[in-house]
Amino acid sequence: DAKTTQPPSMDCAEGRAANLPCNHSTISGNEYVYWYRQIHSQGPQYIIHGLKNNETNEMASLIITEDRKSSTLILPHATLRDTAVYYCIALSNDYKLSFGAGTTVTVRA
Amino acid sequence: NAGVTQTPKFQVLKTGQSMTLQCAQDMNHEYMSWYRQDPGMGLRLIHYSVGAGITDQGEVPNGYNVSRSTTEDFPLRLLSAAPSQTSVYFCASSWGQGIGELFFGEGSRLTVL
Repeated sequence: DAKTTQPPSMDCAEGRAANLPCNHSTISGNEYVYWYRQIHSQGPQYIIHGLKNNETNEMASLIITEDRKSSTLILPHATLRDTAVYYCIALSNDYKLSFGAGTTVTVRA
Repeated sequence: NAGVTQTPKFQVLKTGQSMTLQCAQDMNHEYMSWYRQDPGMGLRLIHYSVGAGITDQGEVPNGYNVSRSTTEDFPLRLLSAAPSQTSVYFCASSWGQGIGELFFGEGSRLTVL
């Protein structure tokens, strides 16, 4: 699976959009981009995934560049409860999904 | 619908002891997996299973055994605990086509003295 690179941390103001970048320059054509988050010491929570097209669900939007070498997770209206570690993962159709260090997002009032 | 249930939530072992971490899911998921998370780090895959009777190694399998006799259960066995196995362990499951959405348990915090 392709390596992903994320900033170690970022801050966001409550009520504003949070844009979380992820680089995956070696991603192959059959690899999906997945986003998970982990709040405190809980188990990670699935957010969204996509292959080529932009995706949106009730939690977030995923914007993937046309060359698929990077993507951005958008939390449209961040709340204090969105404070978490966010993981970006590139995964092909196999079963060995592992999580890197992720981005620690702190939402401030 | 309980989702993914892990037991115990906390456990303290002495070096050399053995134990089993239990994981059960009630969603009829084919795929199940075990991860460990050390302080300040991401999750690393220990073992996984794509269905009853089928298991395979992940990134850090040494010191751990698994079996999958039923769709619902995927226990993780530590044969001879070592301090390096002090960690938080997470079990996860999904439908199994690729990965899709992984559902995680609440974690089991293990300390090996």
